[in-house]
Amino acid sequence: GQQVMQIPQYQHVQEGEDFTTYCNSSTTLSNIQWYKQRPGGHPVFLIQLVKSGEVKKQKRLTFQFGEAKKNSSLHITATQTTDVGTYFCAGRTQGGSEKLVFGKGTKLTVNP
Amino acid sequence: EPEVTQTPSHQVTQMGQEVILRCVPISNHLYFYWYRQILGQKVEFLVSFYNNEISEKSEIFDDQFSVERPDGSNFTLKIRSTKLEDSAMYFCASAFQETQYFGPGTRLLVL
Repeated sequence: GQQVMQIPQYQHVQEGEDFTTYCNSSTTLSNIQWYKQRPGGHPVFLIQLVKSGEVKKQKRLTFQFGEAKKNSSLHITATQTTDVGTYFCAGRTQGGSEKLVFGKGTKLTVNP
Repeated sequence: EPEVTQTPSHQVTQMGQEVILRCVPISNHLYFYWYRQILGQKVEFLVSFYNNEISEKSEIFDDQFSVERPDGSNFTLKIRSTKLEDSAMYFCASAFQETQYFGPGTRLLVL
């Protein structure tokens, strides 16, 4: 079945440093979504990427979808302590599937 | 801002017992989902529901699981005979189009 791999599993950064998490799917995706989950919280939708090569920005967050629609990345510039949490990518396969397949997530901790 | 709500927030049950987890999706949403997240692990899709029927389910969603939208507002997940390995956080989500909004979850502990 479809698998979504995400690396790294953990990332510790000093406040102000940049952070990137990478997501790779075993199959071509129709779209990919990114979620943030704070400790003890629930996944909160951040963004959806649909087009090949798409790049979207939300303030200090930059999201990218690969040309082959099989990989994606989330980059945070100048991390802040409020960025702490686990970032999940979730892919939807082509063919009209409802199913979102989540990566294992990258847990980000930020030292002030 | 409208949000998905779930009850109860925590549920402790004995192995073999039935549990019903309840969700109230956002009112104009058309698509409904259940996910589970075993502690410290990734979120796993269980089932999607549209137009009063299951549209897709995962291999986890076996005969012990069922979903229902009994009254047009609630969306329930029933586990008929719970097993130890059903212990997890269960998230309900709803969507109008592509964006899914997750509820706060029900933490289920099976003893």
